[in-house]
Amino acid sequence: KAGVTQTPRYLIKTRGQQVTLSCSPISGHRSVSWYQQTPGQGLQFLFEYFSETQRNKGNFPGRFSGRQFSNSRSEMNVSTLELGDSALYLCASSPGQFNQPQHFGDGTRLSIL
Amino acid sequence: DQQVKQNSPSLSVQEGRISILNCDYTNSMFDYFLWYKKYPAEGPTFLISISSIKDKNEDGRFTVFLNKSAKHLSLHIVPSQPGDSAVYFCAARANPTSGTYKYIFGTGTRLKVLA
Repeated sequence: KAGVTQTPRYLIKTRGQQVTLSCSPISGHRSVSWYQQTPGQGLQFLFEYFSETQRNKGNFPGRFSGRQFSNSRSEMNVSTLELGDSALYLCASSPGQFNQPQHFGDGTRLSIL
Repeated sequence: DQQVKQNSPSLSVQEGRISILNCDYTNSMFDYFLWYKKYPAEGPTFLISISSIKDKNEDGRFTVFLNKSAKHLSLHIVPSQPGDSAVYFCAARANPTSGTYKYIFGTGTRLKVLA
């Protein structure tokens, strides 16, 4: 069974640009969550989508947005990039029902110059 | 406000001994808890979970204990192996009837198993 796939694995951008990251969940999983990981900060929750609807949102500025398509694939967009956006962005999928674990992709490493 | 806390940033254990990783939480609405392991350059890998109706769950060398009154959970690894060296994250989720489906993660504990 294929796992969660994130593309691209690495990305270098400059301040002010925008970026789109992609996530393909495990087949059959309807929930997709996005996290930002920076050193010493653990995994900070960005948002969660279920059946194309955003169910939860974390405490990030409006420059961070996402969407989910009918096939459950998800994209995350960050506009007007700042140096502090440099991080590992992780996507996780789950069936979306009660008490089932999320499974993570290997992430996209975003570096802002 | 850090609702899930892992107060030990690092832990070193001899191979063959027990590793005990700890996690504390503050939100009494949390009813599902998980542990993940993360190697460098990889995403977190799910290890084991426990729901609030239990106080212990075992899977091979891994056992998770939940103390609801103390709002504390721990992961025991017995025996520890060098391949267990990684960063371990605990996570918690509130009952979805509360209207939230998000998982809250701790900041991680780096485990080093010495050969």
